[in-house]
Amino acid sequence: SAVISQKPSRDICQRGTSLTIQCQVDSQVTMMFWYRQQPGQSLTLIATANQGSEATYESGFVIDKFPISRPNLTFSTLTVSNMSPEDSSIYLCSVVIGPNTEAFFGQGTRLTVV
Amino acid sequence: AQKVTQVQTEISVVEKEDVTLDCVYETRDTTYYLFWYKQPPSGELVFLIRRNSFDEQNEISGRYSWNFQKSTSSFNFTITASQVVDSAVYFCALIHNQAGTALIFGKGTTLSVSS
Repeated sequence: SAVISQKPSRDICQRGTSLTIQCQVDSQVTMMFWYRQQPGQSLTLIATANQGSEATYESGFVIDKFPISRPNLTFSTLTVSNMSPEDSSIYLCSVVIGPNTEAFFGQGTRLTVV
Repeated sequence: AQKVTQVQTEISVVEKEDVTLDCVYETRDTTYYLFWYKQPPSGELVFLIRRNSFDEQNEISGRYSWNFQKSTSSFNFTITASQVVDSAVYFCALIHNQAGTALIFGKGTTLSVSS
């Protein structure tokens, strides 16, 4: 299994600023995933973070807006840059551990941009 | 392409009623996994069940039960004798058995249980 510690749990930010969300896993994992959940919506994959290489972004998400770091096999950060009210969402990190394909999620970061 | 469809956007029931949440999925893979998660108002995702594509046995856990039918690509979730604490958003999700892939989520079903 895996335990994921994600912080901050919530924040209220001014538009135009940036927020960095941290995700720490208690075991080494190859891939980490970042999701966004806009109010009343489902989870949408932002990007896949692989240690030692650039993150892979899904359609509609760009590195300039959501830069990701993956310095080692247990840690990743997602930055939400130049925030606007439309970025108000819950952001979650996740890992999937094989071979039985267990999926684990952080507690989520509830971001409000004012 | 992989896809998860939860056609029920919102369901409202009265306590003690049984309720079934539907989930239909699409995948070309022969090996895959299906999940159900509960998301209470606090926002965290609570894992409920994981089922692999080779195990079609239905499962019961307390008041929760799951009906997996590959023939109809469905993985439905039933809550028996619902309670107010069951009020939440429920997500069905799919992942195929390949390293480096993420879960694909349905749009979720909001369940409201009133007393």
